[in-house]
Amino acid sequence: SQQGEEDPQALSIQEGENATMNCSYKTSINNLQWYRQNSGRGLVHLILIRSNEREKHSGRLRVTLDTSKKSSSLLITASRAADTASYFCATDATGGSEKLVFGKGTKLTVNP
Amino acid sequence: ETGVTQSPTHLIKTRGQQVTLRCSSQSGHNTVSWYQQALGQGPQFIFQYYREEENGRGNFPPRFSGLQFPNYSSELNVNALELDDSALYLCASSLVDRGNSPLHFGNGTRLTVT
Repeated sequence: SQQGEEDPQALSIQEGENATMNCSYKTSINNLQWYRQNSGRGLVHLILIRSNEREKHSGRLRVTLDTSKKSSSLLITASRAADTASYFCATDATGGSEKLVFGKGTKLTVNP
Repeated sequence: ETGVTQSPTHLIKTRGQQVTLRCSSQSGHNTVSWYQQALGQGPQFIFQYYREEENGRGNFPPRFSGLQFPNYSSELNVNALELDDSALYLCASSLVDRGNSPLHFGNGTRLTVT
């Protein structure tokens, strides 16, 4: 089962622009994580935000979490061609036997 | 620090056959999770092992089974392969058995079932 739904499914921008991706989820969570995947490779952890946090920064990344709306956003500022990848949100739902549950991802293309 | 390694990188099998995929955890990690990723989809949780015991399972049939060894390496076994089993299989290790620990992924095994 996929709990998270990223939006948009695909995003194409120019180098230097900002990229915003959104994630919605269905059940209560302990934390939400964002991962990046280059084509055909493993996923790389970007950032984790706990359910009692509203915003978190890491370099050019900014993540927000709104638990009342069950949504999160990932902002990449001053994008680079090397940011081209798929981005996934993953939630750690309270209860249940599944562990980290991933969404379907947003495919980001940054054009030079 | 040694990262997560998976073998083989690619595999072609015939429907009905059995397959074993292997994963070496990142050093110091005691938990391993397996995910199946179909083309264009997000990873789907198969199961997790912690201290050699299954510690959670997703919506996969019993023909998907696993092992974790004392050195925390792991195997994923799939019996009676079906065409829909064609996917990228990802192994991820972490330090604790709670979801608030980031996962460290290997580069996966691409399985093709014909």
